[in-house]
Amino acid sequence: EAQVTQNPRYLITVTGKKLTVTCSQNMNHEYMSWYRQDPGLGLRQIYYSMNVEVTDKGDVPEGYKVSRKEKRNFPLILESPSPNQTSLYFCASRSRARKETQYFGPGTRLLVL
Amino acid sequence: AQKITQTQPGMFVQEKEAVTLDCTYDTSDQSYGLFWYKQPSSGEMIFLIYQGSYDEQNATEGRYSLNFQKARKSANLVISASQLGDSAMYFCAMREDFSGGYNKLIFGAGTRLAVHP
Repeated sequence: EAQVTQNPRYLITVTGKKLTVTCSQNMNHEYMSWYRQDPGLGLRQIYYSMNVEVTDKGDVPEGYKVSRKEKRNFPLILESPSPNQTSLYFCASRSRARKETQYFGPGTRLLVL
Repeated sequence: AQKITQTQPGMFVQEKEAVTLDCTYDTSDQSYGLFWYKQPSSGEMIFLIYQGSYDEQNATEGRYSLNFQKARKSANLVISASQLGDSAMYFCAMREDFSGGYNKLIFGAGTRLAVHP
């Protein structure tokens, strides 16, 4: 089954404690991205990757890092989380050839105390 | 800058009736795409329908149709014969294309739909 998986699905942490949210897709997609969703703002792009070792900032990259060492994985790293990073996070992927299709992961709810 | 506007924070509809969720967009690009996603209370993003800027026919997917009015820059979602399971948050999104082939989605703030029995 074609899918994007994220782990963990729910996470409560404290300010300053480094964390990683994993994202994996099994569709051999070139493009992957991370979004955060906040009430009244919809989803906003954090980082994106066009292929292995190719990443770039989206609209709200401050406080986040990413890496793309393998085509299937695109982890989101919060080196020193702060309460304003409490949000719902989505990983997404798509094939370079198919602009009309974007696959989303199930989401990760993060609470930073 | 590209922008998506959903002016209805919340909507109510009676079961079995049709409902229209509004979406307007702002872009100077000729090539773009418009999406609608459904987000139930469980949180996942469910793809509903897609309209390409060069598509002449309005997109339809089962009970969902997209009323695409290019000159007015609107892409309203029409849900026919509403069901209780349609109660959810609905997001309109536009694909923004960049040189080099990459694109990203720009989302509206969403409309929360409640279907009443």
